[in-house]
Amino acid sequence: AQKITQTQPGMFVQEKEAVTLDCTYDTSDPSYGLFWYKQPSSGEMIFLIYQGSYDQQNATEGRYSLNFQKARKSANLVISASQLGDSAMYFCAMRDNQGGKLIFGQGTELSVKP
Amino acid sequence: NAGVMQNPRHLVRRRGQEARLRCSPMKGHSHVYWYRQLPEEGLKFMVYLQKENIIDESGMPKERFSAEFPKEGPSILRIQQVVRGDSAAYFCASSGALNTGELFFGEGSRLTVL
Repeated sequence: AQKITQTQPGMFVQEKEAVTLDCTYDTSDPSYGLFWYKQPSSGEMIFLIYQGSYDQQNATEGRYSLNFQKARKSANLVISASQLGDSAMYFCAMRDNQGGKLIFGQGTELSVKP
Repeated sequence: NAGVMQNPRHLVRRRGQEARLRCSPMKGHSHVYWYRQLPEEGLKFMVYLQKENIIDESGMPKERFSAEFPKEGPSILRIQQVVRGDSAAYFCASSGALNTGELFFGEGSRLTVL
């Protein structure tokens, strides 16, 4: 069975510093995708970044990058130069390319300190 | 190109009434997913539909809940005889091809059962 684990219920980071949010996954499917979403206090789910299991390079989107270590089954999100507006819940999710649905981790609440 | 549209954004029902939540996927997307988020929890998969077909309903409660995605019109999640435990945020997501990062969420519908 597929599983996503986020072991950090809460994280603090100083404004302008970088932070890494951990995510490990488990699947026996060779083809899958990994996603990160941000959920601010307003409640919407904002897509941040995607990594395909066959992608050779780590995904990057602006200040977001995904540290994909396939052998370790980890897909950590790195946010560089943190901003106060980055304070939110962050969810890691995995999707197998046969079934289609996303399985979510428990989330990490990030607080950026001024 | 409009994003995933959900309505209503907020819905209040009394116990025993019916709730209908609607989701219009992004243009060109044929895969629709419904998720439920209880307060202080992550997103739990409910059902995955393609046009006129339920592909995976493994997360749907066996009673009172149903979903459809007709040939014309939005996908609908229907909850009959609501109870207080149904109070939650219900998110819809739509997707293009399964092996891409094209999976986006609507803003959610927040159901409150009095």
